[in-house]
Amino acid sequence: AQTVTQSQPEMSVQEAETVTLSCTYDTSESDYYLFWYKQPPSRQMILVIRQEAYKQQNATENRFSVNFQKAAKSFSLKISDSQLGDAAMYFCAYRATNTGNQFYFGTGTSLTVIP
Amino acid sequence: NAGVTQTPKFQVLKTGQSMTLQCAQDMNHNSMYWYRQDPGMGLRLIYYSASEGTTDKGEVPNGYNVSRLNKREFSLRLESAAPSQTSVYFCASSEASSFRAFFGQGTRLTVV
Repeated sequence: AQTVTQSQPEMSVQEAETVTLSCTYDTSESDYYLFWYKQPPSRQMILVIRQEAYKQQNATENRFSVNFQKAAKSFSLKISDSQLGDAAMYFCAYRATNTGNQFYFGTGTSLTVIP
Repeated sequence: NAGVTQTPKFQVLKTGQSMTLQCAQDMNHNSMYWYRQDPGMGLRLIYYSASEGTTDKGEVPNGYNVSRLNKREFSLRLESAAPSQTSVYFCASSEASSFRAFFGQGTRLTVV
């Protein structure tokens, strides 16, 4: 079974600084998607960024970018110019393209933004 | 366009009571999911439905049943609630083209 590991239960960052959240995954598949979801105190799950495994170029969405290392099975999220609204729980997730329909989630990283 | 709608948002049950969590999506997605979220454990899959008429067990199916009533609706039933089922429950649906999941607002369930 696929596993997704987030080894940082909690992280903190000063406002306007940069922070990187780590994620590793285990799979024997070659074609898959990786995601970062944000869960603010409202509980709503919000998609932050998505990466297709077949793409070598790292995905970016405004202040959010990823460092995707396929061989190392690593998928980290970098948040630049951190804002107070970035404070949330962040979940890394994996889904295979061709086998099964399940999304596998990590245990989450709680990000605090310090004013 | 409401997306994924879950009801109720909060519920308190006594041990042994039953209840059904309702979920509906209006995005014409084939795949739907039920997850539970517990502190330090992330989201764990209870059941999923790849298409109308099919359901499959996920990682933690014991104590739950599901029904894919039609393409829009996917309900989760607790037949005899236990304190270990105290959790936040999320329904989600997924589109085939982008593979992203869309989530409902969650249901906070407490079993006393």
